[in-house]
Amino acid sequence: DGGITQSPKYLFRKEGQNVTLSCEQNLNHDAMYWYRQDPGQGLRLIYYSQIVNDFQKGDIAEGYSVSREKKESFPLTVTSAQKNPTAFYLCASSIERTDTQYFGPGTRLTVL
Amino acid sequence: SQQGEEDPQALSIQEGENATMNCSYKTSINNLQWYRQNSGRGLVHLILIRSNEREKHSGRLRVTLDTSKKSSSLLITASRAADTASYFCATVPYSSASKIIFGSGTRLSIRP
Repeated sequence: DGGITQSPKYLFRKEGQNVTLSCEQNLNHDAMYWYRQDPGQGLRLIYYSQIVNDFQKGDIAEGYSVSREKKESFPLTVTSAQKNPTAFYLCASSIERTDTQYFGPGTRLTVL
Repeated sequence: SQQGEEDPQALSIQEGENATMNCSYKTSINNLQWYRQNSGRGLVHLILIRSNEREKHSGRLRVTLDTSKKSSSLLITASRAADTASYFCATVPYSSASKIIFGSGTRLSIRP
């Protein structure tokens, strides 16, 4: 089955800890994205990558970091510098920038 | 500020009725995409309409695009309980230096 997976589904973090959210796709897509969604809100772009070894900041990159060492993988690290990280995080991929995006099931991060 | 703004923010209709949601945007676009999100899930792509297209259909869905007014509408005909979800428009700017932007969404509820 082709698709995009995220893990874990739920994640709990203590204040001051860094956590890493996993995103993997086997769709052979070049572009990958990370979004944050707060309750009742739309999606805000954190980071995106149009090709391996390259990524760009989105609208709310502060307190987050990413890497794109492999085409299939685009992990997101939520650092302790992110002041309000509790949210629903969505990863997506597309063939290229202008194409349809395919979304993973999301990771719900809660800071305790 | 958001590129895509949806209207209305929330919509409640009787099963069997038609539902219309609107999206307005500000700058020139390559294409506009509509997505559905069930509660707590990832987004699912519905329709992509390119800037040189005026109307597209997919099953009970009809999307129109008016580039002169910088607006799009999504019509769901003969609504069903399973259509209850949030619907988002996303605009892909014409400039390759610009990012896809999601609107804040319309929450659609179908009453039995």
